[in-house]
Amino acid sequence: DQQVKQNSPSLSVQEGRISILNCDYTNSMFDYFLWYKKYPAEGPTFLISISSIKDKNEDGRFTVFLNKSAKHLSLHIVPSQPGDSAVYFCAATPKAAGNKLTFGGGTRVLVKP
Amino acid sequence: KAGVTQTPRYLIKTRGQQVTLSCSPISGHRSVSWYQQTPGQGLQFLFEYFSETQRNKGNFPGRFSGRQFSNSRSEMNVSTLELGDSALYLCASSPQVAGGYNEQFFGPGTRLTVL
Repeated sequence: DQQVKQNSPSLSVQEGRISILNCDYTNSMFDYFLWYKKYPAEGPTFLISISSIKDKNEDGRFTVFLNKSAKHLSLHIVPSQPGDSAVYFCAATPKAAGNKLTFGGGTRVLVKP
Repeated sequence: KAGVTQTPRYLIKTRGQQVTLSCSPISGHRSVSWYQQTPGQGLQFLFEYFSETQRNKGNFPGRFSGRQFSNSRSEMNVSTLELGDSALYLCASSPQVAGGYNEQFFGPGTRLTVL
């Protein structure tokens, strides 16, 4: 039972354009959501997070949107840069579960110069 | 501050053997979590240790175990290795400041290959 799903395994975007990554979840207990970026041979690096009491959080080029009624979140990267080419994971947790993250399957992003 | 370190980085074992992986968290971090990444199952939570006690556990068989020492360093052990245990094992540490979610910082992982 996949509680967090990233339905697009890959995404290709031109440098300077917007990258939009999507994530759906099924567990209503999730109330904190995170995005991580992962390069090959490295561990995931935290990008941005959002609590269920918000519907938007912005940090520089990264914005995460949360639609609780649809159980959907998205990550917008504007403008996309070649260094953004990586695998992106969304993750979710109920705050009560502490650090137990449930991850999506990942979306591989390729930013073309 | 030094990041999360994991040793060894690469390991090759044969079926039936056991293996111990080590994780040193960021200085001052008291929570250590372990994750398994495989192509088929993705990133899956194994367990979390806080103050030397297992606080959370994922859905893995009892062959997977862990412990945390008083200096917050953690080890995980897999006994009776199976081919399907071949994976990247990631350790993450967190400062665990009271109130709210605490960001987890991941190490580079240990790549385990079971032959």
